[in-house]
This record gives sequence, structure tokens and C-alpha cells, in this order.
Amino acid sequence: KAGVTQTPRYLIKTRGQQVTLSCSPISGHRSVSWYQQTPGQGLQFLFEYFSETQRNKGNFPGRFSGRQFSNSRSEMNVSTLELGDSALYLCASSLGSGAFFGQGTRLTVV
Amino acid sequence: AQKVTQAQTEISVVEKEDVTLDCVYETRDTTYYLFWYKQPPSGELVFLIRRNSFDEQNEISGRYSWNFQKSTSSFNFTITASQVVDSAVYFCACHSGTYKYIFGTGTRLKVLA
Repeated sequence: KAGVTQTPRYLIKTRGQQVTLSCSPISGHRSVSWYQQTPGQGLQFLFEYFSETQRNKGNFPGRFSGRQFSNSRSEMNVSTLELGDSALYLCASSLGSGAFFGQGTRLTVV
Repeated sequence: AQKVTQAQTEISVVEKEDVTLDCVYETRDTTYYLFWYKQPPSGELVFLIRRNSFDEQNEISGRYSWNFQKSTSSFNFTITASQVVDSAVYFCACHSGTYKYIFGTGTRLKVLA
């Protein structure tokens, strides 16, 4: 069974640009959640989607948004990038309680 | 509120030593799950174990064992006979319907040959 796949693995963007990250969950998993990992703040919950609906949202500004498609694949979008958005973005999929994570997308904002 | 504390920032041990990683959690929910994840240098979080709040049975899986004690709100993780491949950052997390996943700040384990 394939694991959680995140693309791209690495990304470099300029301040002010926007970026879209993609996550394909494990087959059959309908819940997808996103996390931001930085050295200073650790792992922080961004949002969770289930059956194309956002179920929960963390404490992040509106520049961070996401969506989930009917095949459970999810995208995360960050608009008007700031230097502080540089982080490892992790996606997790789950069937019940117990999330399985992808390798993450490392975003660098310059 | 919900909080997970991993007081040990970094631990170094010599190969074959046993090592225990501490995790203390706080939650107001009566139903919750506790997890341990391993994050190797490649970045992904590798699921190690899940425990629900009603199951205080300790668990052993090979060289890994977990001690869950509700009385002290702790969920500690022990690696027996550590190996260099165990070197990674280990995260403890608490999940409940109210708060979703809250992670500790992680413990970096270095196993020296």
C-alpha cells in the first residue's frame, strides 16, 4: 500500500508569491490534515479535511488555505508569502485515529 | 487546554545503552489518544505507537516499550539496547476530538557508535 505522497519535496519562492502544495493520502483514507514544522514553533496544526469539508482549523492567518478533492487528495495554498513561512509542511492521512505522515514539502521563502 | 511536554531536548547515549524518552501530557478531554512518532533526517514522521486513554496496558514491540500512566499523565518511551539507526527526533503527541493533534517539542536522540 503506497504511503502518503507530498509534492513537491522542495520549493523555493520569493516573498509576496503564492504557493500550492499537494498531498495524496493513503488509499481509503478520507481524512487529511496539514502541519507546519519550524525550529522555533515546532509542529503546529494547520487544518484538517474530511470528505472535502474542512473540519478543523489551527491558528493561522487567512493566507493559509486548503481544499480536498473527491478522491481525497488535498492541496494547501499560501498566498503573499512571508519569510516566516519557510518551514517543512507535513501532510497526514488517517482512517480513524492514528495519522500517517508524508515526507513533507520543505518551503524556503527568500 | 491541551499540552504535551517533552522536557528532554537532546539525549546522547552510547550504542547498546537503554534510553527512556519522557512525555507528559495535559488534556481536559476524557477520551484521547497518545502517540509517539520518529522523525529521521529525511523528514517524514514515522508512526510508532498509539494508545487510547482507557488502555493503560504497557506495550513492548521488539526493542521498544511504552509505559502509560494516567496517574502521572505520562507516556514514556524506552529503547532497549539502542542502535545508531535509532538516532532521530522523537515526538510525543496527544489527539482528541476537541483539540486534534498537539505535539511536544521533540527529543533529539543521538546514539553514538
